[in-house]
Amino acid sequence: QVQLVESGGGVVQPGRSLRLSCAASGFNFSNYGMHWVRQAPGKGLEWVSLIWWDGSNENYADSLRGRLTVSRDNSKNTLYLQMNSLRAEDTAVYYCARGRYTSGGILEDWGQGTLVIVSS
Amino acid sequence: SYVLSQAPSMSVAPGQTASIPCGGNDIGSKSVHWFQQRPGQAPVLVVFDDGDRPSGIPERISGFNSGNTATLTISRVEAGDEADYYCQVWDRSSDQWVFGGGTRLTVL
Repeated sequence: QVQLVESGGGVVQPGRSLRLSCAASGFNFSNYGMHWVRQAPGKGLEWVSLIWWDGSNENYADSLRGRLTVSRDNSKNTLYLQMNSLRAEDTAVYYCARGRYTSGGILEDWGQGTLVIVSS
Repeated sequence: SYVLSQAPSMSVAPGQTASIPCGGNDIGSKSVHWFQQRPGQAPVLVVFDDGDRPSGIPERISGFNSGNTATLTISRVEAGDEADYYCQVWDRSSDQWVFGGGTRLTVL
């Protein structure tokens, strides 16, 4: 079955950088677009980013564009999210999710998330 | 940017029907997806493309979309349905995936 395991979260100081990972198994990772979604404590879901199956196209939430870079390594079945210039408001659980199509699409399967806390 | 509006909370007695609305400008022209998030867990897709269900989702969960409102309906509500429910669309004009603010369903 589809399994997505996020890692790389933790406590980081404001202004620093962090890279999250999402290890995929149970499906042909290189055939699917992948999303990142985040959820601040006690708040709702916020879509963050999307990358196509081959990494040829990326998209970001308008409010986050410029500080994030999504990437993937299909040889390692792993998705990444590089976050720079972190702010307190970036504190959230970050989920990766498998899209239905090569270009993304419906978020069909989700990982359990990794918690990022931005604090001095 | 496109905005989806959801009531923050609603409550329903066991065995009754819960109808959870999601409002958006001409949302009927878009495909709406719904996610269930139980406390402490990751979201789960329960309805896609307005009214289709992934395998394993019971038939008592359904969706409808028309005009400016999409609705998730849960019939014969059970204690296990207590969760946050989020609607979502892809806004073609901005190429952004948008979530509603979520509705917390409490089973009395």
